[in-house]
Amino acid sequence: EAGVAQSPRYKIIEKRQSVAFWCNPISGHATLYWYQQILGQGPKLLIQFQNNGVVDDSQLPKDRFSAERLKGVDSTLKIQPAKLEDSAVYLCASSWTGNQPQHFGDGTRLSIL
Amino acid sequence: SQQGEEDPQALSIQEGENATMNCSYKTSINNLQWYRQNSGRGLVHLILIRSNEREKHSGRLRVTLDTSKKSSSLLITASRAADTASYFCATDERGSNYKLTFGKGTLLTVNP
Repeated sequence: EAGVAQSPRYKIIEKRQSVAFWCNPISGHATLYWYQQILGQGPKLLIQFQNNGVVDDSQLPKDRFSAERLKGVDSTLKIQPAKLEDSAVYLCASSWTGNQPQHFGDGTRLSIL
Repeated sequence: SQQGEEDPQALSIQEGENATMNCSYKTSINNLQWYRQNSGRGLVHLILIRSNEREKHSGRLRVTLDTSKKSSSLLITASRAADTASYFCATDERGSNYKLTFGKGTLLTVNP
């Protein structure tokens, strides 16, 4: 089966600019996750979708981050405006349900200048 | 906040040796999972152990879970250079809708 696809792989922007990441999960996976991974740390969950509904977004900085999952398939994560502290790898993952192992994409490495 | 904490933070061994990594967590959980991450790549699921299980095997991997001590260990036997990676434990707290919380990971280096 095809894995989780993410794009772009790398992005460099200046602070206060906006950026968007795209994720295509494994076909049939109902649950989709966005994580932020800062260098040297484990991933931190930003938002979890079940189909196209939000299950958990308690750690999403909603003043600058937004995410959507239209039609319960692809998803986009947006940051506007970006801050220096947003420099990280943004990982997308998917699973059949919330109680199953997660499959990760290779992430987008974001650098803020 | 991080729930699982791995120990040690870094581990360097020779090919053929066994590697043991430990994970401690703070709350009651449904499941505990171990993931591997190669440099510049996404995480790969290794093993899931449920809270009512004590030990699980998969190939050269052995995972134990002690819910009374809130700890788990991952043993990799007969390590290979290709096992070089970061290893993370992740827990989902009861009542959390299976939200995973990851530790900071153990960086394993296997020298040929």
